[in-house]
Amino acid sequence: QMDLVESGGGVVQPGRSLRLSCVASGFTLRSYGMHWIRQAPGKGLEWVALIWYDGTEKYYVDSVKGRFIISRDNSKNTVYLQMNSLRAEDTAVYYCASALTVDAFDLWGQGAAVTVSS
Amino acid sequence: DIQMSQSPSSLSASVGDRVTITCRASQRISGSLNWYQHRPGKAPNLLIYGASILKSGVPSRFSGSGSGTDFTLTINNLQPEDFATYYCQQNYGSPPVYTFGQGTKLEIK
Repeated sequence: QMDLVESGGGVVQPGRSLRLSCVASGFTLRSYGMHWIRQAPGKGLEWVALIWYDGTEKYYVDSVKGRFIISRDNSKNTVYLQMNSLRAEDTAVYYCASALTVDAFDLWGQGAAVTVSS
Repeated sequence: DIQMSQSPSSLSASVGDRVTITCRASQRISGSLNWYQHRPGKAPNLLIYGASILKSGVPSRFSGSGSGTDFTLTINNLQPEDFATYYCQQNYGSPPVYTFGQGTKLEIK
């Protein structure tokens, strides 16, 4: 069974950093682009970042450019989201997701909650 | 950037009803439109991709249509498990930016 499991969420003060991890099981991550998508409290889904299967290309939503970094370690079947200079508006549940079989997000993790608060 | 607009933002219906949710793109996106169901506390679930292709395992009461800028998600014979929030999402163009609609919350009447 293919699965994605996020970890690393928690409560952090504004301006600090946090790193999320997403571990894949049941399939080999190296063949797929990976995404981070978030949902702020009471809000809708927002795509955050994409990393190509080989890590050569990365894309971000404007609101996190220059602050967040997506990376991957295919040997560990893991994708990361390094979140720096965190703001209150970054408070959200962060999901990792991938398009394994179709051109859409067909596999999602259960999410990691991040709260940015003093 | 391409903006996605869903309507209505919320909807009340009864078990057995048929409901339609619409999604409009700010520019033409061909058929690059996907629909997701999201229940509280769960991961979102892909229902429809490529505007009208039902994901394997999704009940046939769900259907999608549209192309260009206007799209619809139709749910026939609503079941209790269908009460959730639904999102459209576009993945058209380069560089890739994946925009979601604001969501439609489907509630039991």
